[in-house]
Amino acid sequence: QKEVEQNSGPLSVPEGAIASLNCTYSDRVSQSFFWYRQYSGKSPELIMSIYSNGDKEDGRFTAQLNKASQYVSLLIRDSQPSDSATYLCAVRGRAAGNKLTFGGGTRVLVKP
Amino acid sequence: GAGVSQSPSNKVTEKGKDVELRCDPISGHTALYWYRQSLGQGLEFLIYFQGNSAPDKSGLPSDRFSAERTGGSVSTLTIQRTQQEDSAVYLCASSLEGLQPQHFGDGTRLSIL
Repeated sequence: QKEVEQNSGPLSVPEGAIASLNCTYSDRVSQSFFWYRQYSGKSPELIMSIYSNGDKEDGRFTAQLNKASQYVSLLIRDSQPSDSATYLCAVRGRAAGNKLTFGGGTRVLVKP
Repeated sequence: GAGVSQSPSNKVTEKGKDVELRCDPISGHTALYWYRQSLGQGLEFLIYFQGNSAPDKSGLPSDRFSAERTGGSVSTLTIQRTQQEDSAVYLCASSLEGLQPQHFGDGTRLSIL
């Protein structure tokens, strides 16, 4: 079992719709969770961080964390073609020090 | 610029040569990380610096890989006797301190012929 798992996609959504991305993790004592967006040929860009159970909203993005079920999700509302990218889930576990463990990423395609 | 700066952006070298990759973190960031991203392998951790010390080197794949950081700022990742499997994008990230979110540079694309 991978430490951080994501569906590789592609997740195809029409423009204006909600894109829903999921991530599960194996380390039960993980403490910090991050979503990065990576355009093809570019480096990862931090878009959300979440540390406690519940929802966190930032603009069109909402991160949801459920530690009991060991999953974190990202919702992208009013999806735009510019949201087409690979979204990486990253987890920092207590035992892992400060390093991030990344999922393989979910490729999102927003079609006009 | 205010972001993490990496150089060179691209490096092509022959198998067996040594390479040095440089990372200049965001000013004031005490924590610095090296990762690499290979096709089909995802993003994997290599080494973490807090100041000039490296409390976590667990991701370095072999003793051909080493890294140092001087003055609490610039870091150099050195790969000796490069092999074709070393071909990847090497990414550097920094954070204000160890538990803060990490911000990535543009990476160095390393190709071993």
